[in-house]
Amino acid sequence: GENVEQHPSTLSVQEGDSAVIKCTYSDSASNYFPWYKQELGKGPQLIIDIRSNVGEKKDQRIAVTLNKTAKHFSLHITETQPEDSAVYFCAASNNAGNMLTFGGGTRLMVKP
Amino acid sequence: DTEVTQTPKHLVMGMTNKKSLKCEQHMGHRAMYWYKQKAKKPPELMFVYSYEKLSINESVPSRFSPECPNSSLLNLHLHALQPEDSALYLCASSQDFGGGWQYFGPGTRLTVT
Repeated sequence: GENVEQHPSTLSVQEGDSAVIKCTYSDSASNYFPWYKQELGKGPQLIIDIRSNVGEKKDQRIAVTLNKTAKHFSLHITETQPEDSAVYFCAASNNAGNMLTFGGGTRLMVKP
Repeated sequence: DTEVTQTPKHLVMGMTNKKSLKCEQHMGHRAMYWYKQKAKKPPELMFVYSYEKLSINESVPSRFSPECPNSSLLNLHLHALQPEDSALYLCASSQDFGGGWQYFGPGTRLTVT
């Protein structure tokens, strides 16, 4: 089955700096890679996703890149703000909405 | 409306109790999911319903019993739980199983005493 590794497990940055979270996956059949943000006491919220036919996708301060050859994908957050503080999970699936395999999560702390 | 609702928010139950968790969505999604999430861990899939039929049971103990009364509702019946079952239980839905990303509810924080 699919295995997703996520690094780092914790990340602390100053407000305004950039944050990068990296994930690797094992199953070359995976073609859908969502990123979820989970704030304390809440369920995961989808923030951005990318499909395997695209190398990069941006949405305001958030971008995701995908390297299919190397089987890794990354989340980039620019101009971080305190409200970006949360746990971020990457995931992989062989079809959008299908069974998701999650990475272990990254706790991002943005210091004012 | 892109909301998945779950009730109750918090639940404390004894090991001999019977209780139920409820999940509702009105997005017309035909796939619904139950996940279990322990502290500082990612969600773990428990069950998937597709078109109101159980599609996937990830070898979940029988003390957890899912039910899908209609396309908008998903229940999780709990009986004779163990303290290690204490966790955040998340419901999610997607347009179809294999079509569209999953929307998660806020979860029910379950404590088994």
